[in-house]
Amino acid sequence: QVQLQESGPGLVKPSETLSLTCSVSGGSINSYYWSWIRQPAGKGLEWIGRIYSSGITDSNPSLTGRLTMSVATSQNQFSLKLYSLTAADTAVYYCARGMLYGDYWYFDLWGRGTQVIVSS
Amino acid sequence: SSELTQDPAVSVALGQTVTITCQGDILRKYYVSWYQQKPGQAPRLVFSGYNDRASGIPDRFSGSSSGNSASLTIIGTQAEDEADYYCNCRDNSGNHVTFGGGTKLTVL
Repeated sequence: QVQLQESGPGLVKPSETLSLTCSVSGGSINSYYWSWIRQPAGKGLEWIGRIYSSGITDSNPSLTGRLTMSVATSQNQFSLKLYSLTAADTAVYYCARGMLYGDYWYFDLWGRGTQVIVSS
Repeated sequence: SSELTQDPAVSVALGQTVTITCQGDILRKYYVSWYQQKPGQAPRLVFSGYNDRASGIPDRFSGSSSGNSASLTIIGTQAEDEADYYCNCRDNSGNHVTFGGGTKLTVL
């Protein structure tokens, strides 16, 4: 069965760059959308962005200019870089697989999430 | 607008029926999906809108939509259904995704 696993630093300093990787096991990364979603403590879910296996990306307009996403199909991984971090970026970061069928969109698989704290 | 609105909290007596709603103009254009999140866990797909219930989800869960509103109904609510529930769909651009603010379901 397909599983997703996030990896990255748990603590990042303000103004620095967060780099996260999601490893996909048990299945191919090809022909799917792969998203990043975050959740500050006690708050709701915020979609960060998505990348298709071809490398095409879409990102939350609120993060435009601070976000880069990439995919490494040979390694079955995709990654996120979020720049100029502030305390407001502190959250649990999830990776998830997105499914698109016409007017239907849903996330059918999620990683367990990784806590990121932005603090000096 | 692409905003999705959910009631922050809903409660239901054990064994009774509860409906969790999601409202937004974007629902007239796109279908909604629903997720369950228990404390300390990742969200889990409950209802995709495309393939109905996700794998492993009990048949007491069902989804529906009409106009600018979508609903997730649980018939015969169990204690283990206590969780946060989020709705989700594409936004007006079609290329971005938006979540509702979430509904905390308490089973009494």
